[in-house]
Amino acid sequence: GAGVSQSPSNKVTEKGKDVELRCDPISGHTALYWYRQSLGQGLEFLIYFQGNSAPDKSGLPSDRFSAERTGGSVSTLTIQRTQQEDSAVYLCASRGNTGELFFGEGSRLTVL
Amino acid sequence: AQSVTQLDSQVPVFEEAPVELRCNYSSSVSVYLFWYVQYPNQGLQLLLKYLSGSTLVKGINGFEAEFNKSQTSFHLRKPSVHISDTAEYFCAVADTGRRALTFGSGTRLQVQP
Repeated sequence: GAGVSQSPSNKVTEKGKDVELRCDPISGHTALYWYRQSLGQGLEFLIYFQGNSAPDKSGLPSDRFSAERTGGSVSTLTIQRTQQEDSAVYLCASRGNTGELFFGEGSRLTVL
Repeated sequence: AQSVTQLDSQVPVFEEAPVELRCNYSSSVSVYLFWYVQYPNQGLQLLLKYLSGSTLVKGINGFEAEFNKSQTSFHLRKPSVHISDTAEYFCAVADTGRRALTFGSGTRLQVQP
């Protein structure tokens, strides 16, 4: 597609359940990022993939969070045993040669 | 590590008035600087970026920003705002090696008629 695609756009889950959020970056973009935007807050960096290099996981808030990127394209962010404080909008972005990040519309996660 | 401070969480302004949204950063290495805009219920869109060269950068929708290395600032300006400029504005910094952006907490620009 023309832009970064994220799914689901909205997810409501119960505390303790696992969730998976998907990101389909712009074709040809080698760099992919996950950020979290909590209500009234800025964007919190979570993880960064660049080509075949080891991902930069320095922003993941706990070991309940993990992400993978298969085939250098689609990425999945997994949150295990969700907590209420995980409620946020999870944004994915990909980057091409210009240095600009292109963001998806985000996945809004609500943990009840 | 870098950090970004957006000094104003909200900026109310009347239509056709000028506006400046402030951004200061801290980094021990060379940086790239960005401003992104987020309209209600939408994703983030790049307004402008500073990578190198001229310190005055022009972006979309009539916005511009000036990189001031000595003051570690990258303030965003527009000489005359429109109602449609109402949005959340985020300043971001990336060191030239790491490439992951660090964002400020955002400034909500509220343009009033």
